[in-house]
Amino acid sequence: EVQLVESGGGLVQPGRSLKLSCAASGFTFSNYGMAWVRQTPTKGLEWVASISTGGGNTYYRDSVKGRFTISRDNAKNTQYLQMDSLRSEDTATYYCARQLKAYWYFDFWGPGTMVTVSS
Amino acid sequence: DIQMTQSPSVLSASVGDRVTLNCKASQNINKYLNWYQQKLGEAPKLLIYNTNNLQTGIPSRFSGSGSGTDYTLTISSLQPEDVATYFCFQHNSWPTFGAGTKLELK
Repeated sequence: EVQLVESGGGLVQPGRSLKLSCAASGFTFSNYGMAWVRQTPTKGLEWVASISTGGGNTYYRDSVKGRFTISRDNAKNTQYLQMDSLRSEDTATYYCARQLKAYWYFDFWGPGTMVTVSS
Repeated sequence: DIQMTQSPSVLSASVGDRVTLNCKASQNINKYLNWYQQKLGEAPKLLIYNTNNLQTGIPSRFSGSGSGTDYTLTISSLQPEDVATYFCFQHNSWPTFGAGTKLELK
């Protein structure tokens, strides 16, 4: 059974950093791209970042470029999202998602972790 | 970015009804359109990919159609467990989601 479990969310002050992790199981992690998607009541669902199977290619939405870094460790079946210079508008539930290699969509999602950026 | 517009935003229907949800893209997305179901407090779940392909394990009462800029999700006979918010999603270019249709029981 495919499982994705996020961790690392919490309350953080504006300008500070936070690192999310996503532990994967139930599939061959290195065969899939991975992604982070966030959700807020006002903006809805937003794709945040994606990473290729080997980690050599990364992609970001414009609003997080230069502040967020997606990475993965295939030996640990884990992906990460390093979030720096956090802003109030980054407050959201962050989902880890498995991304198909051939298509840019997400077929399994974790339960999500909440990130609140507030002073 | 490609904008995805869903209608209606809220839909009330009765058990057994045939339900149709709509999604319109701001430009041609070449059938790279998915539908996700999100129940309260849960993560989104993939129902349909590439317009009309049913994800493994999804009941056959769900179906999708469309082309160009206009797409539809149909539930042939609404069940109580289908109460959820449904999102369309395009992956023809940088991925974007619609705002969702909240499906309620009448």
